[in-house]
Amino acid sequence: KQEVTQIPAALSVPEGENLVLNCSFTDSAIYNLQWFRQDPGKGLTSLLLIQSSQREQTSGRLNASLDKSSGRSTLYIAASQPGDSATYLCAVNRDAGNMLTFGGGTRLMVKP
Amino acid sequence: ETGVTQSPTHLIKTRGQQVTLRCSSQSGHNTVSWYQQALGQGPQFIFQYYREEENGRGNFPPRFSGLQFPNYSSELNVNALELDDSALYLCASSLETTSDTQYFGPGTRLTVL
Repeated sequence: KQEVTQIPAALSVPEGENLVLNCSFTDSAIYNLQWFRQDPGKGLTSLLLIQSSQREQTSGRLNASLDKSSGRSTLYIAASQPGDSATYLCAVNRDAGNMLTFGGGTRLMVKP
Repeated sequence: ETGVTQSPTHLIKTRGQQVTLRCSSQSGHNTVSWYQQALGQGPQFIFQYYREEENGRGNFPPRFSGLQFPNYSSELNVNALELDDSALYLCASSLETTSDTQYFGPGTRLTVL
């Protein structure tokens, strides 16, 4: 059974810092991995999707990497801003069916 | 093009009651997935519907059931509510089961007293 873990569970940083969020998964036989953002009490917004054959994806100040063999992914946020404050979730897809297994999330607070 | 919508926004029920949550998928999307997100945790996959048929199910008891209609909107029904069913229920739609992109609705917050 796939298990996804995110460390740390919560993180508070001053504005402008670069930061790394970690995600690990137990079964390396994945189809893709996604990072989502969730604002309090809201739905999920997809940030980045990495296919199993890819090593990384970039969007603006966000960069996600994937090391499938070791069961790890990182989300790098450059020059953090207060508007980045949210919960970040990673999720793995075991096949093309979009039945995601999520981690518990990292709650990020960026202080002005 | 409208996004994924869910109703109601909030709901309060008592233990033992039944509840129906509704999801309207994004236009043209034939696949809807439902997730349960307890407070402070990540979402857990409940089940997925594709063209009105259940296409996959997570580790949830049979009292969690669903429907998908010809217009691809969907319902999640929960019978014999338990206190632990209190959660944010999210639905997500995608163009096909194999589409990489899913669009999530804002969720329904269910409180069971």
